[in-house]
Amino acid sequence: LAKTTQPISMDSYEGQEVNITCSHNNIATNDYITWYQQFPSQGPRFIIQGYKTKVTNEVASLFIPADRKSSTLSLPRVSLSDTAVYYCLAHASQGTGFQKLVFGTGTRLLVSP
Amino acid sequence: GAGVSQTPSNKVTEKGKYVELRCDPISGHTALYWYRQSLGQGPEFLIYFQGTGAADDSGLPNDRFFAVRPEGSVSTLKIQRTERGDSAVYLCASSLTPGRDSPLHFGNGTRLTVT
Repeated sequence: LAKTTQPISMDSYEGQEVNITCSHNNIATNDYITWYQQFPSQGPRFIIQGYKTKVTNEVASLFIPADRKSSTLSLPRVSLSDTAVYYCLAHASQGTGFQKLVFGTGTRLLVSP
Repeated sequence: GAGVSQTPSNKVTEKGKYVELRCDPISGHTALYWYRQSLGQGPEFLIYFQGTGAADDSGLPNDRFFAVRPEGSVSTLKIQRTERGDSAVYLCASSLTPGRDSPLHFGNGTRLTVT
């Protein structure tokens, strides 16, 4: 399981684009990169997953360079409701076929008016 | 549709007591996971079920912790002789399949406080 490193906290304002970069220097060939979002008093919620290049969905974009040693979660035009903790994970299916997610402390994003 | 449901949402117990935490996964999800989250930390893996069997229980801290999923749906996490250090939020998650391309769906957790 690759160790990931991400900023402890970030501040932004409503309407701005927020980019959270995650470092995973020891990522393995089979590892995928997944981001989860967590609001207070709730469980984490899946945002996006990718292997390489760029993935986009209705919530965010994920940019992964060719060497895959880092990735960037991009949140377009954030709102106050995007204030949350964002977790970056690099993982693959285990021998039994399941994904053992290892969460770090995440990035606390605070969006202000 | 309904998400992962965990009951109770809050549990306060005295040191030394026994507690059970319940998880109702999303219907049809074969994989079920338990995680534990302490204040300011990310969730920590406890145990994984595929169907009725515990395929990986490497995250259970000691033998006071036990979990079951007798019919392959609802799961119960059981903690014997609770200690103050067991205080945390216990999260349950389920996924359609166990593979990496099947996102985990988490419940809102049970906040356990051991006094």
